[in-house]
Amino acid sequence: EAGVAQSPRYKIIEKRQSVAFWCNPISGHATLYWYQQILGQGPKLLIQFQNNGVVDDSQLPKDRFSAERLKGVDSTLKIQPAKLEDSAVYLCASNQGTGNTGELFFGEGSRLTVL
Amino acid sequence: AQSVTQLDSQVPVFEEAPVELRCNYSSSVSVYLFWYVQYPNQGLQLLLKYLSGSTLVKGINGFEAEFNKSQTSFHLRKPSVHISDTAEYFCAVTPSGAGSYQLTFGKGTKLSVIP
Repeated sequence: EAGVAQSPRYKIIEKRQSVAFWCNPISGHATLYWYQQILGQGPKLLIQFQNNGVVDDSQLPKDRFSAERLKGVDSTLKIQPAKLEDSAVYLCASNQGTGNTGELFFGEGSRLTVL
Repeated sequence: AQSVTQLDSQVPVFEEAPVELRCNYSSSVSVYLFWYVQYPNQGLQLLLKYLSGSTLVKGINGFEAEFNKSQTSFHLRKPSVHISDTAEYFCAVTPSGAGSYQLTFGKGTKLSVIP
């Protein structure tokens, strides 16, 4: 079974530029999450999708971050314009959705450096 | 809302010695508890989880954890560590029975196994 795929693995940009990250969850997983992991901290939830609908985006900085999951499968997270404090690893995770036991399956992450 | 405190940011231990990584949580509702491991430049991998039943939970790679409701703790233990256990360990919590899981993570504990 293929795992959660993310790309790119690494990205370096200058502040005020834009960047997009892509995630393809495990096949059949209805729920998809984007987490932000700043160096020295634990992952923090940015947004949660159930199929192609947003369940929770309360911690997403909507003035600069956006995310979509148009067909209920893969997802894109965009940052525009980037700030220095956006330097972090962006982790995508998925699980089966309702009726599951709570385990999230994580991708390897996309590391963003903002100069 | 839930919160997780991992009391030690770094834990050095000699190879074949026992180790305990401490985790305390705060929640006004019943919770599910998880330990994840993150190897360098990789995503998070589930070590073990507590959903209900026996308070002693066994996971992969010889790790186990004990849920203590009165002390709101979920400490991770291994009787004899190996070099390959060097990684960062994250404790996480989510409200139980919610049907749609959002994990809240601690800041992590870096385990360094010394040969």
